[in-house]
Amino acid sequence: SAVISQKPSRDICQRGTSLTIQCQVDSQVTMMFWYRQQPGQSLTLIATANQGSEATYESGFVIDKFPISRPNLTFSTLTVSNMSPEDSSIYLCSVVGGASDTQYFGPGTRLTVL
Amino acid sequence: QKEVEQDPGPLSVPEGAIVSLNCTYSNSAFQYFMWYRQYSRKGPELLMYTYSSGNKEDGRFTAQVDKSSKYISLFIRDSQPSDSATYLCAMSQNDYKLSFGAGTTVTVRA
Repeated sequence: SAVISQKPSRDICQRGTSLTIQCQVDSQVTMMFWYRQQPGQSLTLIATANQGSEATYESGFVIDKFPISRPNLTFSTLTVSNMSPEDSSIYLCSVVGGASDTQYFGPGTRLTVL
Repeated sequence: QKEVEQDPGPLSVPEGAIVSLNCTYSNSAFQYFMWYRQYSRKGPELLMYTYSSGNKEDGRFTAQVDKSSKYISLFIRDSQPSDSATYLCAMSQNDYKLSFGAGTTVTVRA
């Protein structure tokens, strides 16, 4: 399976600021996704990160709040903009591709907004 | 109604017992079914993946899918304390976009 890393692993931020989360994969993958896991809840898909084009957002998520980049087949970023305490969550990237069509997750970025 | 329903538990069993987990779903377009294990403060780890009705076995783990009833299960035989984690069912259509259950927290007592 692909090895996925995320930076930062955790952060504490002030409301109104923005944080960019990086996702790096050790091999080229077909698809990359960003999920959110709010405290005590399961995972919710935010968007599909498309290589070389705009991300595809799920209902309830918008580009102005969660801009996403994917400049190549191994890297993506998610920015959480103008943060509020409600954005406190674990943000995870996932990938599909390589030798199989199963989906693997990164370790997550734990974000706390004060 | 949520697309994927999963009893959050918690579930506590003695070491060596069989752990039985299940999910129901409402979207008949789901074709692919997965079980993930998530340890505290870690990302989900893929345990089982299947796309057809029936059983799939991998070591101590058996995944069962019944598409006619929209019901999936995961069985863990000879459970160990190291199996203590949250187990998430997930499913998708042919677009890789996963819909997750709430997750069931399992504790295996030594």
